[in-house]
Amino acid sequence: DIQMTQSPSSLSASIGDRVTITCRASQGIGNYLAWYQQKPGKVPELLIYAAFTLQSGVPSRFSGSGSGTDFVLTISSLQPEDVATYYCQKYDSPPWTFGQGTKVDIK
Amino acid sequence: QLQLQESGPGLVKPSETLSLTCTVSGGSISYGSFYWTWIRQPAGKGLEWIGHIYTGGTTNYNPNLMSRVTISLDTSENRFSLNLTSLTATDTAVYYCARGTGDLDSWGQGTLVTVSS
Repeated sequence: DIQMTQSPSSLSASIGDRVTITCRASQGIGNYLAWYQQKPGKVPELLIYAAFTLQSGVPSRFSGSGSGTDFVLTISSLQPEDVATYYCQKYDSPPWTFGQGTKVDIK
Repeated sequence: QLQLQESGPGLVKPSETLSLTCTVSGGSISYGSFYWTWIRQPAGKGLEWIGHIYTGGTTNYNPNLMSRVTISLDTSENRFSLNLTSLTATDTAVYYCARGTGDLDSWGQGTLVTVSS
């Protein structure tokens, strides 16, 4: 089965910083990659699908890139409300798998 | 707007079977091309995909849970269900139901299931 590895596992950044999170698949998955945001105590929410398509209502400071095995989630200017854990998920074929998560907080 | 709501027991004994239901409102589970999905999350840990059932009835399961999992559709009640057998403490988690076409765009609020005697 394809494994999804995120890095880093956690990061601290200042308000306004550019933040990047990487997700690597152990085999190519095309662009069948989604990103989710889970705020503390809340339900995960879809941010990005098909590797780079922003879900409706998601702020434009979020962006996704990549294809094949390497993907990146970028927050162009970190805001206080972005404190959360971010997960990637592959859905090219079953089993669908999530990355282990990246916890983002404010420095 | 589509809404999903999990229901089921909050406490289950080891070796027993967990049965959870996800009731869907604001849309029919019989129409469209969607994957009706179960995910779980142990406290303080990441998300684990359990499996899904496609609108047409095809199922796929996490290989690590395949021998214990069944997901089914109840179109008459507009809901889908999860059965997980032979429970152990490691099955303690918040269980979410969700809908998507691969990516998961609608989630329930989650229900905490504790496995303990």
